[in-house]
Amino acid sequence: AQTVTQSQPEMSVQEAETVTLSCTYDTSESDYYLFWYKQPPSRQMILVIRQEAYKQQNATENRFSVNFQKAAKSFSLKISDSQLGDAAMYFCAYAGGTSYGKLTFGQGTILTVHP
Amino acid sequence: DAMVIQNPRYQVTQFGKPVTLSCSQTLNHNVMYWYQQKSSQAPKLLFHYYDKDFNNEADTPDNFQSRRPNTSFCFLDIRSPGLGDAAMYLCATSKTGTTATTQYFGPGTRLTVL
Repeated sequence: AQTVTQSQPEMSVQEAETVTLSCTYDTSESDYYLFWYKQPPSRQMILVIRQEAYKQQNATENRFSVNFQKAAKSFSLKISDSQLGDAAMYFCAYAGGTSYGKLTFGQGTILTVHP
Repeated sequence: DAMVIQNPRYQVTQFGKPVTLSCSQTLNHNVMYWYQQKSSQAPKLLFHYYDKDFNNEADTPDNFQSRRPNTSFCFLDIRSPGLGDAAMYLCATSKTGTTATTQYFGPGTRLTVL
């Protein structure tokens, strides 16, 4: 079975600074997808960024980028120029290529942004 | 805008009184999911529909049921809610055949059991 581990229950960052959230996963599949979802307090879970395992290039979405290390099974999220609105719970998630999107979530990391 | 809608956003029920939560989507996605999320925890998948096919997770209690009358709507029925069922319930959708099979989430229904 696949597992996803986020080893940082909480992280904090100063506004305008950069922060990296860690995620590791375990799988025997060769085809899969990785995601970072953001869930602000009492608000909707939204997709931040996704990565296809077959792509070597790291995904980037504006201030959000990932460091995907397939051999190490590591998938970290870097947030640049942090903003107060980035404060949220961040979940790393895995979906196997044959499981039509069924997600395995990590435990989550609470990100606090200090002004 | 295409979206996933959940009603109601807040639901209060009494111990043992059946309750139904609703999810609708305008994305025309063929897969719909129901998750239970307790405070500061990751969502836990209860079941999902792949088209009309219902797929229950092995550890989902029998107290939880679901219906999907058409592509757009999906319901979560809790037959006899217990205090431990108080949680946020999230609906999500995805479309097979597309890259990344990304799930899109609704805003959730927060269930309180008195």
